[in-house]
Amino acid sequence: ILNVEQSPQSLHVQEGDSTNFTCSFPSSNFYALHWYRWETAKSPEALFVMTLNGDEKKKGRISATLNTKEGYSYLYIKGSQPEDSATYLCAFPILTGGGNKLTFGTGTQLKVEL
Amino acid sequence: DAGVTQSPTHLIKTRGQQVTLRCSPISGHKSVSWYQQVLGQGPQFIFQYYEKEERGRGNFPDRFSARQFPNYSSELNVNALLLGDSALYLCASSRPEGRSNNEQFFGPGTRLTVL
Repeated sequence: ILNVEQSPQSLHVQEGDSTNFTCSFPSSNFYALHWYRWETAKSPEALFVMTLNGDEKKKGRISATLNTKEGYSYLYIKGSQPEDSATYLCAFPILTGGGNKLTFGTGTQLKVEL
Repeated sequence: DAGVTQSPTHLIKTRGQQVTLRCSPISGHKSVSWYQQVLGQGPQFIFQYYEKEERGRGNFPDRFSARQFPNYSSELNVNALLLGDSALYLCASSRPEGRSNNEQFFGPGTRLTVL
């Protein structure tokens, strides 16, 4: 059984705060790690696909790092805004004959308050 | 360009009934995957289809089945519905280059409630 774990489960921060959350995954047979942002009543939106140990990716105020040797990834949000409120999911892909299937963590629910 | 579309958006059924959920992938995407998301959990993989063939199956009972059509759209069928099948069903499409860094694009989901 593949375990992908995320912490914390939920987070409340004030506007302007910086925050980060963790995704841990099996370090063996690593191929890639996906991060998604999922706002209520919308489709999950892909943020990053990370493949290389030490990788760091950035999209606006959001960035992510990857450590494949120890099996974790951090997602950082700098200067949180109310529109950042969402559930952030990480997913570990397993190759299939038609692409890959994703094993998701349970997500970190972020609420940014004014 | 249109994203992944799913229909219906909401559905209410009673135990024992059957349901069909529909998904249209992004134009040019040939692979479709289905996921089930229950409250408090991350999405769970159900099926992946590519070129009308099943390429992956998750740990779901045989009451769950799916198919993909020549235009790459897909249907998920669930027979003999149970209360525990109440969930959000997500469809995702991707280009099936067989790489683990293949991004999957999700639809907004179909909310199924079983009474």
